Amino acid sequence: EAQVTQNPRYLITVTGKKLTVTCSQNMNHEYMSWYRQDPGLGLRQIYYSMNVEVTDKGDVPEGYKVSRKEKRNFPLILESPSPNQTSLYFCASTPAGRSHEQYFGPGTRLTVT
Amino acid sequence: AQTVTQSQPEMSVQEAETVTLSCTYDTSESNYYLFWYKQPPSRQMILVIRQEAYKQQNATENRFSVNFQKAAKSFSLKISDSQLGDTAMYFCAFMSMWDSNYQLIWGAGTKLIIKP
Repeated sequence: EAQVTQNPRYLITVTGKKLTVTCSQNMNHEYMSWYRQDPGLGLRQIYYSMNVEVTDKGDVPEGYKVSRKEKRNFPLILESPSPNQTSLYFCASTPAGRSHEQYFGPGTRLTVT
Repeated sequence: AQTVTQSQPEMSVQEAETVTLSCTYDTSESNYYLFWYKQPPSRQMILVIRQEAYKQQNATENRFSVNFQKAAKSFSLKISDSQLGDTAMYFCAFMSMWDSNYQLIWGAGTKLIIKP
């Protein structure tokens, strides 16, 4: 089954404790991206990747890192989480040349206390 | 920069009624996509309908249809014969066809409640 998976689905952590949210897709898509969803703001892009070893900032990259060492994986790293990073996070993947086909992961609810 | 505005934070209707959700957007581009996504309590993002800006004909998917007014930059979603399962957050989103980062620009969402 074609899908985007995220782990963990729920995470409660404390300020400053490094964490990684994993994202994996099995569709051989070139493009992957991370969004965060906050009430009243919709979704905003954090980082995106056009292919292996090619990443760039979205609209709200502060406090986040990403890597794309393999085509299928695009982890989101919070080196020192803060309470303002409490949010719902979505990973998405898209085949090159078909930008209108966005496949979303199930979301990760992160709470930073 | 493109923006998407959904002016109705919350709406509620009776089951079987028709409801229209509003969305306006701002862009200087002529080629783009517009989307409506549904987010049920499970939080999964589900594509409801997509419209290409170069198509004059309004998109339709079963009970869901859009009213796309390009000159007015308006993209409303009509849900006919509403069902309890339509209860969800609905997001309007925009994407430029020429955006190299494939970025979706999202509205703030409308919470739709279908009452039995």
